[in-house]
Amino acid sequence: KQEVTQIPAALSVPEGENLVLNCSFTDSAIYNLQWFRQDPGKGLTSLLLIQSSQREQTSGRLNASLDKSSGRSTLYIAASQPGDSATYLCAVTLYNTDKLIFGTGTRLQVFP
Amino acid sequence: GAVVSQHPSRVICKSGTSVKIECRSLDFQATTMFWYRQFPKQSLMLMATSNEGSKATYEQGVEKDKFLINHASLTLSTLTVTSAHPEDSSFYICSVERGDLGEQYFGPGTRLTVT
Repeated sequence: KQEVTQIPAALSVPEGENLVLNCSFTDSAIYNLQWFRQDPGKGLTSLLLIQSSQREQTSGRLNASLDKSSGRSTLYIAASQPGDSATYLCAVTLYNTDKLIFGTGTRLQVFP
Repeated sequence: GAVVSQHPSRVICKSGTSVKIECRSLDFQATTMFWYRQFPKQSLMLMATSNEGSKATYEQGVEKDKFLINHASLTLSTLTVTSAHPEDSSFYICSVERGDLGEQYFGPGTRLTVT
């Protein structure tokens, strides 16, 4: 059974810091991995999607890497801003299924 | 991307009543939609996969007679919580799958409170 874990559960940093969020999964047979952002009481916004054959994806200040063999992904946020404050979720899609299995999330607060 | 809407955004109902939540794909036709549930401070859990024109596929532990899913068109899926109880109070989110990469796009969610 695929299990997805995110560390840390919560993170509070001052504005301007570069930070790394971690995601690990137990079954490396994944089709893709996605990072999402969720603001309080809101739905999810897709940030980055990495196919199993890819090593990383970049969008603006965000960079996500994938090491399938070790079952890990990291989301790197450069020069963090207060507007980055949200919960960040990673999710994997298994082969032969469309189902997303979500991690437990990292609650990020960036203070001015 | 894809634009997904949900209605209502919030609903409060009394125990024993039924509530219908709509999920609409606004800018493309979605063969497959998904329904998730999120309890406070927990991650999203997939409830069921909704396929247009056929019966939904429910995840283990989700009562199909309690959570009725109807995907009658390529732009609309509905989730009906029947005989709701306070423990059904949760945040319900739908998503649509688009493209060959399996990317999912999510609705804004519906906050259900059962009193």
